[in-house]
Amino acid sequence: GEQVEQLPSILRVQEGSSASINCTYENSASNYFPWYKQEPGENPKLIIDIRSNMERKQTQGLIVLLDKKAKRFSLHITDTQPGDSAMYFCAASSPPGTGSNRLTFGKGTKFSLIP
Amino acid sequence: GALVYQYPRRTICKSGTSMRMECQAVGFQATSVAWYRQSPQKTFELIALSTVNSAIKYEQNFTQEKFPISHPNLSFSSMTVLNAYLEDRGLYLCGARAQGNTGQLYFGEGSKLTVL
Repeated sequence: GEQVEQLPSILRVQEGSSASINCTYENSASNYFPWYKQEPGENPKLIIDIRSNMERKQTQGLIVLLDKKAKRFSLHITDTQPGDSAMYFCAASSPPGTGSNRLTFGKGTKFSLIP
Repeated sequence: GALVYQYPRRTICKSGTSMRMECQAVGFQATSVAWYRQSPQKTFELIALSTVNSAIKYEQNFTQEKFPISHPNLSFSSMTVLNAYLEDRGLYLCGARAQGNTGQLYFGEGSKLTVL
């Protein structure tokens, strides 16, 4: 299977600064790493993902990095805004060929801005 | 774009009664549907993974007898929580995954179960 550790569990930064969330995984054969944002009372929404054939991906103020050697991937939010406050979850896809084809989630990061 | 509709959004039921929830993928073919429960502490538990034309695979601590699932085609899945008790409360999410083992997984809006 797979285990995903996500840190920090709580993250607060000043508006306009950047924020980073880090995740590690155990199985080197995992090949897909999505990030979800969940606002209060809402379902988790896919915001960005990266596959194992890439090291970096960027979209709309979000950057994800993947270090396969270290089995680590991270989400970076640049120029944080109030709308970025939410729970964020990382996930890793079980290796192909296991028949499970499932995502294992981290425990989430509660992100907010310091007033 | 890809959308996943899930209903009902919330249910309040008495202990010992059952709740059925449905999940519909729109705009893409879902080769698999995963049912998760998100606890009040926000952690995700995978209940079962359903792939069309394959047996539904339940995770440890979850059984077909308690959470029967139907996945008759590539766009629809349903799950029932039978004999719901306090420990079953939470947000139940269906996640429909697009083709390929690196296909993106899109969540439905979730079905929040409250048990009295």
